[in-house]
Amino acid sequence: GENVEQHPSTLSVQEGDSAVIKCTYSDSASNYFPWYKQELGKRPQLIIDIRSNVGEKKDQRIAVTLNKTAKHFSLHITETQPEDSAVYFCAASRNSGGSNYKLTFGKGTLLTVNP
Amino acid sequence: DTGVSQDPRHKITKRGQNVTFRCDPISEHNRLYWYRQTLGQGPEFLTYFQNEAQLEKSRLLSDRFSAERPKGSFSTLEIQRTEQGDSAMYLCASSQGGQGDQPQHFGDGTRLSIL
Repeated sequence: GENVEQHPSTLSVQEGDSAVIKCTYSDSASNYFPWYKQELGKRPQLIIDIRSNVGEKKDQRIAVTLNKTAKHFSLHITETQPEDSAVYFCAASRNSGGSNYKLTFGKGTLLTVNP
Repeated sequence: DTGVSQDPRHKITKRGQNVTFRCDPISEHNRLYWYRQTLGQGPEFLTYFQNEAQLEKSRLLSDRFSAERPKGSFSTLEIQRTEQGDSAMYLCASSQGGQGDQPQHFGDGTRLSIL
């Protein structure tokens, strides 16, 4: 089955700096890669996703890049703000005939943005 | 609120008791997923429904676990003869059907504590 590795497990940055979180996946058939933000005690919230036919996607201060050959994808947050502090999870799923779209998650990255 | 709702939010029970959780997906979503999340980990897939059909069960789902989605709307997850190791957050997610990957939207979860 799919295995997703996520690094680093914790990340501390100063407000205004950039943050980068990296994930690798094992199943070359995976083709959908969402990122979720989870604040303490709250539900995981989708912040951005990317499909395997795209190499990069941006949404304001958030961007995701995908390297299918190396089987890794990264989340980039620019101009970080204290409210960006949360746990971020990457995930991967395979969407092909008969698949069920289940997500395999990384272990998460605790991002702390210091004012 | 048209998001995914789960009930109860918290459940404390003694080892050996049975518990049942409910998930109401977003109304137009025909795919429903159950995940389990333990402290410091990402959500782990348990089972998946498309409409009322349960299409996959993870090996994490022992015989003590059963899930239903009788009319293709809400779903229930029952754990019989609970054990200490069942303590976790149980998350439900839903997504639309159709071609391609549709984002999964999560509920707030049910936190289960086994005494």
